[in-house]
Amino acid sequence: EDQVTQSPEALRLQEGESSSLNCSYTVSGLRGLFWYRQDPGKGPEFLFTLYSAGEEKEKERLKATLTKKESFLHITAPKPEDSATYLCAVVRNTGGFKTIFGAGTRLFVKA
Amino acid sequence: DAGVIQSPRHEVTEMGQEVTLRCKPISGHDYLFWYRQTMMRGLELLIYFNNNVPIDDSGMPEDRFSAKMPNASFSTLKIQPSEPRDSAVYFCASSLLAAYNSPLHFGNGTRLTVT
Repeated sequence: EDQVTQSPEALRLQEGESSSLNCSYTVSGLRGLFWYRQDPGKGPEFLFTLYSAGEEKEKERLKATLTKKESFLHITAPKPEDSATYLCAVVRNTGGFKTIFGAGTRLFVKA
Repeated sequence: DAGVIQSPRHEVTEMGQEVTLRCKPISGHDYLFWYRQTMMRGLELLIYFNNNVPIDDSGMPEDRFSAKMPNASFSTLKIQPSEPRDSAVYFCASSLLAAYNSPLHFGNGTRLTVT
């Protein structure tokens, strides 16, 4: 069965305290892995797409990496405005294409 | 661009009533998706359309749910009759290309409460 598991469920950091979020997956026919950010009361907002093991993408304080079994979202020197829920999603080929989301990691960054 | 527009933002209704959620995708996007988000189950894909044609509705919970896309700029998700377990945030999303090739652009959702 296809699964996308994110850990930890919640993460509390002090401003400037770097850390990583994990997304592990067991999906057949993986076509891509996406990271989204979701703020309260809003829809998810796209951050990164990764397609192959070894690939890395960066944006400001965020860097996403991908292996054959998992992806990491590294947050360097976070600020309070980085507080949000971070969602991982994988796209697999089912004859059509289906996106499966993980449950997310809620990040709290305290000033 | 205004992004994906959903209405209403909040809907409170009584069990048994019909509920219609509306979505206007980003102009030029060929794919439209309806998702449901709950604390217990996270984001679940209900149905998606390509060029106004339903492609995969395997996520639609039961016959009480139906979705239409009469043209490229409008889609509806209808629940009839509604039940308390339908309470959730419903998101519409659109994308330019097939899901693996381009990201999903989400609206801000409709929070549905069925009492």
